Amino acid sequence: NAGVTQTPKFQVLKTGQSMTLQCAQDMNHEYMSWYRQDPGMGLRLIHYSVGAGITDQGEVPNGYNVSRSTTEDFPLRLLSAAPSQTSVYFCASSYGRVTNGYTFGSGTRLTVV
Amino acid sequence: DAKTTQPPSMDCAEGRAANLPCNHSTISGNEYVYWYRQIHSQGPQYIIHGLKNNETNEMASLIITEDRKSSTLILPHATLRDTAVYYCIVGVGDSYDKVIFGPGTSLSVIP
Repeated sequence: NAGVTQTPKFQVLKTGQSMTLQCAQDMNHEYMSWYRQDPGMGLRLIHYSVGAGITDQGEVPNGYNVSRSTTEDFPLRLLSAAPSQTSVYFCASSYGRVTNGYTFGSGTRLTVV
Repeated sequence: DAKTTQPPSMDCAEGRAANLPCNHSTISGNEYVYWYRQIHSQGPQYIIHGLKNNETNEMASLIITEDRKSSTLILPHATLRDTAVYYCIVGVGDSYDKVIFGPGTSLSVIP
């Protein structure tokens, strides 16, 4: 049982490049979400999914796309990276409607130059 | 906007109880109070949650006031490893988009 796995752990992109941040969980959790955390700030919700085939926007969705084709995976795509997207990205998952708490991944540290 | 208010920072002596307050005066009747912590740059870790009653687990205790407008997370015997940012959030179990993390409280446990 690996929990929530995020890859890569570190990434440097040039402005305008695209990439996909991977998130996978092996706990059969229905709910998955992506947060970003800028230095000295709290976590801001980007996108979330309440099940396979269902996604919705959070607080700061612009510049990011998501899809949820399986229960296990919830990738986050940056179509054209910008320096403002330099941040630490966390993926989280939980089970059930009355959540017993989210399980977070260890994060992806992204720098856009 | 975050629906909770927490002090930005607190200190606690090692071995003493750490009491972290949180105000959530606009909490709805079906919203839970959740606490998480984030040690350095790791992913946040779930601690505890509650609706009305006080709750206790192996990590901490959660005391919710009778009017539910505020709560306190208690770490009974703080250690240096408890130094972290602690987040108090409120949310409804089936409304995940409403779960907003504010800046939290930075707790420093001092030897």
